[in-house]
Amino acid sequence: QKEVEQNSGPLSVPEGAIASLNCTYSDRGSQSFFWYRQYSGKSPELIMSIYSNGDKEDGRFTAQLNKASQYVSLLIRDSQPSDSATYLCAATSGGGADGLTFGKGTHLIIQP
Amino acid sequence: GAVVSQHPSRVICKSGTSVKIECRSLDFQATTMFWYRQFPKQSLMLMATSNEGSKATYEQGVEKDKFLINHASLTLSTLTVTSAHPEDSSFYICSARDGYYGYTFGSGTRLTVV
Repeated sequence: QKEVEQNSGPLSVPEGAIASLNCTYSDRGSQSFFWYRQYSGKSPELIMSIYSNGDKEDGRFTAQLNKASQYVSLLIRDSQPSDSATYLCAATSGGGADGLTFGKGTHLIIQP
Repeated sequence: GAVVSQHPSRVICKSGTSVKIECRSLDFQATTMFWYRQFPKQSLMLMATSNEGSKATYEQGVEKDKFLINHASLTLSTLTVTSAHPEDSSFYICSARDGYYGYTFGSGTRLTVV
């Protein structure tokens, strides 16, 4: 059974601080990892994808992957109130033919 | 970027009736599309993988006779919930892999069965 685990939160972070979101996965065959943001009642929006060990930066967002530890994280710098949402971690074995296995999501609250 | 259109966005139906949900890739061809279901305060669960021109692949525990999937073209997949019951009320979301942006999601369909 493929599983992706996340702390459901809520995670409360002051505006302007760094928000750190974590995720672990059980399937060692997973090759591609994604972070999505989901607002209540809406569809997920892609924040970042990461495929190789190490860090990947895109603007205020940094994704980190450690395949040996089966661990993925997302850092949000200079957090804004508009970043308040549920963040979903997802994994797939790759190839494009497989769907995503999602974690339950972490509810992030940025306090003004 | 890649766009996936999903309709309707919201539907209310009576118990025992069938509902069809459409998912279209607007600016790319999608040989594979995915259907997910999300219950309140739960995460997205993959229901099935829709393959153009062939039968869909269903995840364990998903009734293939209840959730009919048709992927008749490279840009259109449909999910029909047959003989819907209140327990089928959920948020249904389709997704397609566009080869560049990754997995693009439709806007979702909120199904309420009364």
